[in-house]
Amino acid sequence: GAVVSQHPSRVICKSGTSVKIECRSLDFQATTMFWYRQFPKQSLMLMATSNEGSKATYEQGVEKDKFLINHASLTLSTLTVTSAHPEDSSFYICSARDPQANIQYFGAGTRLSVL
Amino acid sequence: QQQVKQSPQSLIVQKGGISIINCAYENTAFDYFPWYQQFPGKGPALLIAIRPDVSEKKEGRFTISFNKSAKQFSLHIMDSQPGDSATYFCAASKNQAGTALIFGKGTTLSVSS
Repeated sequence: GAVVSQHPSRVICKSGTSVKIECRSLDFQATTMFWYRQFPKQSLMLMATSNEGSKATYEQGVEKDKFLINHASLTLSTLTVTSAHPEDSSFYICSARDPQANIQYFGAGTRLSVL
Repeated sequence: QQQVKQSPQSLIVQKGGISIINCAYENTAFDYFPWYQQFPGKGPALLIAIRPDVSEKKEGRFTISFNKSAKQFSLHIMDSQPGDSATYFCAASKNQAGTALIFGKGTTLSVSS
């Protein structure tokens, strides 16, 4: 079964609303989780690294006020897309690294469609 | 600067044939090289991974070949099946906690029956 759970799998929202995506590690504690964005037929682009108990580290060009990340526990990180616009429509995928197995697992992804 | 280069972009293989996907990396500090398989609308799933202390790793029909001096690694899928049709991504990272994977651009594999 999945070791990283991501919810919701799909969300449709109106322009201007905020959307929260949850990422949970089920079988291990993850001090670090990662958020990626993937456009159709393209690769995964790292958006930010989420660190438990501290601020996230954002990649160049990613607006931290637009994409709010909270990593409040060792098993949960959330990504909030604030004031979403149609150009934010994409596939968002989280991942977490199992420190014992040293393997990075991915969630099933969230398809965000902003109307 | 693209740190992980993947080729080909797309690949068509007959059922039973061998699928070969290649990747090259630039950062010599990378020491973890996984391959992921992704089906449409799903998240990537780890297929197989290698570390630079070995030159080859095999798991079932999947084999990674690694050439440290050339900074290249490849995925071989033996006896390719229609169910293998998916997008494959190579990735690389430093083997440290908190280090993100850097992905190649992906290869879309179609296995014809």
